[in-house]
Amino acid sequence: EAGVTQFPSHSVIEKGQTVTLRCDPISGHDNLYWYRRVMGKEIKFLLHFVKESKQDESGMPNNRFLAERTGGTYSTLKVQPAELEDSGVYFCASSSGLGTDTQYFGPGTRLTVL
Amino acid sequence: AQSVTQLDSHVSVSEGTPVLLRCNYSSSYSPSLFWYVQHPNKGLQLLLKYTSAATLVKGINGFEAEFKKSETSFHLTKPSAHMSDAAEYFCVVSGYNTNAGKSTFGDGTTLTVKP
Repeated sequence: EAGVTQFPSHSVIEKGQTVTLRCDPISGHDNLYWYRRVMGKEIKFLLHFVKESKQDESGMPNNRFLAERTGGTYSTLKVQPAELEDSGVYFCASSSGLGTDTQYFGPGTRLTVL
Repeated sequence: AQSVTQLDSHVSVSEGTPVLLRCNYSSSYSPSLFWYVQHPNKGLQLLLKYTSAATLVKGINGFEAEFKKSETSFHLTKPSAHMSDAAEYFCVVSGYNTNAGKSTFGDGTTLTVKP
């Protein structure tokens, strides 16, 4: 069974540009999460989808970030326009249930904004 | 609300000696607790998880952790460190109700293993 995959693995863009990150969860997992780790800080929750619906987006930093999960399969996270402080590693995770269910993480996308 | 504190940002041990990575948690509800490991340029891998069954949890690669409610701790241990254990380790808490599904991470502990 394939794990969680993320694309691209690395992205380097200039301030003001747009970047779209993609996450493909484990097949059949209704729950999909985005997290990020900015340089030197802890991994922080961004948002949680249940199928195509946003269950919790309390961690989204501002309206430059837009997450979608059309059809309840893969998800995209768009940053527009990107700022220097958006640099970091963006992780995606999926799980079949909530709470006690293990979240399986992808390898992350390293975003560098110059 | 829930939170996690990893008490050491860096731990250094010699190969073959015991490993102890400390984690304290806070949760308003019965928590689920996890340890993940991240090797350089790799994703987060689950080592073990506690979900209100046995308080001593065994994980992969010889790691184990003990849930102590009275001390609100979930320390990770391994009897004998191997060079391949060098990585960053994260203690994570997840819970029901308002935090359902949302995981809260500790800051991470970098483990160095000396030959």
